[in-house]
Amino acid sequence: GAGVSQTPSNKVTEKGKYVELRCDPISGHTALYWYRQSLGQGPEFLIYFQGTGAADDSGLPNDRFFAVRPEGSVSTLKIQRTERGDSAVYLCASSLKLNTGELFFGEGSRLTVL
Amino acid sequence: QKEVEQDPGPLSVPEGAIVSLNCTYSNSAFQYFMWYRQYSRKGPELLMYTYSSGNKEDGRFTAQVDKSSKYISLFIRDSQPSDSATYLCAMSASGGTALIFGKGTTLSVSS
Repeated sequence: GAGVSQTPSNKVTEKGKYVELRCDPISGHTALYWYRQSLGQGPEFLIYFQGTGAADDSGLPNDRFFAVRPEGSVSTLKIQRTERGDSAVYLCASSLKLNTGELFFGEGSRLTVL
Repeated sequence: QKEVEQDPGPLSVPEGAIVSLNCTYSNSAFQYFMWYRQYSRKGPELLMYTYSSGNKEDGRFTAQVDKSSKYISLFIRDSQPSDSATYLCAMSASGGTALIFGKGTTLSVSS
């Protein structure tokens, strides 16, 4: 597709469960970013990849959160032992130009932890 | 103090008004300044992009950066109901750092 694709668009889970969120970036974009957006807040940085490696994972809140991008394209954000406070919209973005902030965002995966 | 401060509004204006949105920041290393527009239940989309200080104009939109005051602005002329959205400022330093967003200002333009 032409844009960043994220699945699922909505996910409802119970506290303590494991969740995976998938991001398919724009073809040819080597940089991929994960952000989390809570209601009434701006996107909060989690992690970004340049190619297959995590260039900066300083935004991951704790070790329950993990992300991979094994072939340098699709990325998966994994959340273990989900908590109610993890409820948010998880946004993925990709960019062609590294480090300039010209990001193209997907529509997000809305996670609700009951 | 947060790195990027933005008044969340909401801001309500009549159609045709000039809108002024702004952000302040504390990190003097920021060099790239962006404005993103986000419609309800959609991802942010890049509206304006500026490197370092100065002005940039694109149609009805003008972005200004004043690095000496650590202050950036977005002006919207002849505002339209379709401009109703949340406007997010964002900025980053060079060298591989992440993009930092403000909280967003919600704008409503009434016809």
